[in-house]
Amino acid sequence: GNSVTQMEGPVTLSEEAFLTINCTYTATGYPSLFWYVQYPGEGLQLLLKATKADDKGSNKGFEATYRKETTSFHLEKGSVQVSDSAVYFCALSRDPFSGGYNKLIFGAGTRLAVHP
Amino acid sequence: NAGVTQTPKFRILKIGQSMTLQCTQDMNHNYMYWYRQDPGMGLKLIYYSVGAGITDKGEVPNGYNVSRSTTEDFPLRLELAAPSQTSVYFCASTRDLGPAEAFFGQGTRLTVV
Repeated sequence: GNSVTQMEGPVTLSEEAFLTINCTYTATGYPSLFWYVQYPGEGLQLLLKATKADDKGSNKGFEATYRKETTSFHLEKGSVQVSDSAVYFCALSRDPFSGGYNKLIFGAGTRLAVHP
Repeated sequence: NAGVTQTPKFRILKIGQSMTLQCTQDMNHNYMYWYRQDPGMGLKLIYYSVGAGITDKGEVPNGYNVSRSTTEDFPLRLELAAPSQTSVYFCASTRDLGPAEAFFGQGTRLTVV
């Protein structure tokens, strides 16, 4: 079945450091891929998405590229800030042309802590 | 722009009690979902609905019930609360098709003692 695997956290970085959070997936067909972010005490919100192979999603300085050959969607940011401290979830959405409902499948989440 | 609204934000239940978690969305989305998030874990799907009057089970439906009488509302019912149901519950909604963004409520932190 479809699944998402993320690197375990927590990830602790100093401000302005480079961030990579790894995400790999297993899915049939051509799913869409997402990164969601959860700030303390809040619900999840969409950070970025990519809908086909080689697409690059980007937002707020974060980027991720949909790599079908390696089934990966790693999240990167060149210079993190304290305000980026949150939990990051990788997710996939089932290929709509394979039938079935638009279900999101989440990874376990990676906690990021950025210190001044 | 209300989006997805969940109530209550916090609740403590005794074992065997029942309660309903409320969820309302004002985006006219047909798809709605209930997830639970256990510490250090991803979100697990409890129930989902593809439209008014249509619901189905997700990965972890035992101990829960849902109804969908309107497009806007998707309440989650716990009939006999158990300590294993201590979790954070999130309601979400999406458009019908395609790589739709999910909009989440702020969550309900439930403790069963």
